[in-house]
Amino acid sequence: NAGVTQTPKFQVLKTGQSMTLQCAQDMNHNSMYWYRQDPGMGLRLIYYSASEGTTDKGEVPNGYNVSRLNKREFSLRLESAAPSQTSVYFCASSEGGTSGTDTQYFGPGTRLTVL
Amino acid sequence: AQSVTQLDSQVPVFEEAPVELRCNYSSSVSVYLFWYVQYPNQGLQLLLKYLSGSTLVKGINGFEAEFNKSQTSFHLRKPSVHISDTAEYFCAVIQQGGKLIFGQGTELSVKP
Repeated sequence: NAGVTQTPKFQVLKTGQSMTLQCAQDMNHNSMYWYRQDPGMGLRLIYYSASEGTTDKGEVPNGYNVSRLNKREFSLRLESAAPSQTSVYFCASSEGGTSGTDTQYFGPGTRLTVL
Repeated sequence: AQSVTQLDSQVPVFEEAPVELRCNYSSSVSVYLFWYVQYPNQGLQLLLKYLSGSTLVKGINGFEAEFNKSQTSFHLRKPSVHISDTAEYFCAVIQQGGKLIFGQGTELSVKP
């Protein structure tokens, strides 16, 4: 049981380049999330997917797109990277449900630097 | 809208000392509260959560938290910390619609 896996672990981009962050979970969870973590700001939700086939914006969606490829996989795409997107990105998953009280399980993170 | 404020950005303590990490929340509806821990270079993992019932919640690794409705607080405590407790700790609350809102984080540094 790998839990939540993310690739790559580290990435350096130049301004304007694009890339996709990959996330997969093997816990048969319905809901998946993308967060970014910046010093002194905690984690902020970028996008989430309550179930396969649905996606919704979180607190900071600008500059990002997501795809829920299937129940296991949820990718985050930066179409034209900007230095303000330098951050650590975390994917998480949970069993799902509208109350949100179920535990979220986090991946190890992707550290992205945009020059 | 719900929010959380962690009152200390850094808490240095000596090994075997007690520690309290403070969290205040604002919410106008039913409150569901969480503490997550992030060890260096890792993702977050759940320490404990309060959904309902007893206001004293016990979590993993000897941590506990007390939900105090009158003071809108959910402080995290441990009676005796170890070097291995060095990590960043996040308080979080459920926002209407089921999304987690995190506090800014508290860095706990345990010194020998």
